[in-house]
Amino acid sequence: EADIYQTPRYLVIGTGKKITLECSQTMGHDKMYWYQQDPGMELHLIHYSYGVNSTEKGDLSSESTVSRIRTEHFPLTLESARPSHTSQYLCASSHGGANQPQHFGDGTRLSIL
Amino acid sequence: KNQVEQSPQSLIILEGKNCTLQCNYTVSPFSNLRWYKQDTGRGPVSLTIMTFSENTKSNGRYTATLDADTKQSSLHITASQLSDSASYICVVSDRGSTLGRLYFGRGTQLTVWP
Repeated sequence: EADIYQTPRYLVIGTGKKITLECSQTMGHDKMYWYQQDPGMELHLIHYSYGVNSTEKGDLSSESTVSRIRTEHFPLTLESARPSHTSQYLCASSHGGANQPQHFGDGTRLSIL
Repeated sequence: KNQVEQSPQSLIILEGKNCTLQCNYTVSPFSNLRWYKQDTGRGPVSLTIMTFSENTKSNGRYTATLDADTKQSSLHITASQLSDSASYICVVSDRGSTLGRLYFGRGTQLTVWP
């Protein structure tokens, strides 16, 4: 069982609020990722990090931001939530190397009213 | 355009039966192909990873095959159990960047009935 944790699991919040989704892993992985997944659709990469102080935008444009101050922690922030941000957000981590599996957290299901 | 297509979109089988899920891809250059299992409300869990030189890999009752020439993969589940009910996602990685960009399929939703 992978040791990667996301909180909260579910969040229902009003428009305009600032939100931070937490993601922590205890495996010492350098690489971390944030994905967005809508029902029945494929995962889309929105942010990734190669290591501390490294962050890059993914393939899907997102109004969210991320930070990587510590190896184990990769939070995602929405400064002003909108209904279009309603989705499931999945965090993952992996060792370096092209053939390493990604270990996923159980996700945060976000609903913006 | 790099794509990963999975079929069928959904599948219902009876407990104890076998089934095969398909994945076709157009991703190039190719690095590896992964199969993940995603239970409802959970994150995906890795089942297998195959590189270009591997044409079959097993993980318990799950056996994945890869034909890199035809760009096809299959996931065979033997003697299905109720706990196999999940979405099975095919993911292909390219060699186009240090990150190894991942291309995700939409998954096959498998339901196992008692």
